[in-house]
Amino acid sequence: ETGVTQTPRHLVMGMTNKKSLKCEQHLGHNAMYWYKQSAKKPLELMFVYNFKEQTENNSVPSRFSPECPNSSHLFLHLHTLQPEDSALYLCASSQERFSGANVLTFGAGSRLTVL
Amino acid sequence: TQLLEQSPQFLSIQEGENLTVYCNSSSVFSSLQWYRQEPGEGPVLLVTVVTGGEVKKLKRLTFQFGDARKDSSLHITAAQPGDTGLYLCAGVPSGSRLTFGEGTQLTVNP
Repeated sequence: ETGVTQTPRHLVMGMTNKKSLKCEQHLGHNAMYWYKQSAKKPLELMFVYNFKEQTENNSVPSRFSPECPNSSHLFLHLHTLQPEDSALYLCASSQERFSGANVLTFGAGSRLTVL
Repeated sequence: TQLLEQSPQFLSIQEGENLTVYCNSSSVFSSLQWYRQEPGEGPVLLVTVVTGGEVKKLKRLTFQFGDARKDSSLHITAAQPGDTGLYLCAGVPSGSRLTFGEGTQLTVNP
């Protein structure tokens, strides 16, 4: 496999369920990201991991819990979500640089529906 | 208010037409990126512009970075159905992380 792979592609869950989204990158990048994409809104950065250390948490509710066991894998654990959390969750990776913008490689996303 | 404003939000045109979409801000960016997102997929990088006034061409797509590095445009010549998608601009404000605009949803009808 190449690039950034996300599973599952579609997920339907109730508000009391616990589920996880998985992301794997095969690019040798040192940074991984979770973004939320909702209709008519810009991509919202949720979390950033650099060399498997969390470097950014954009005031994300605690019902979203990220985990980065190594530089190639990233998880987003979900529990007691709300219907407004329904969205496309995108994982991305990049080779973090100290100057200039990082170029992101995105996965295809996990479409989450919370009932 | 959004840091990056994209216009128009929606654009539906016929195959063969030309179009321009815009990405504007009151902030200065060290660079701007353009991504295209097709249905069911994640965004894919098209180009990065870094110098004020820079023009880059990618086949029928022409990207321009404003002289003041506050805005950018994407012009498509002779649009094709394969150009259909969500076009996103993203920039790095000074000392911050990559920020995305809302995007322009383009539909090219055969």
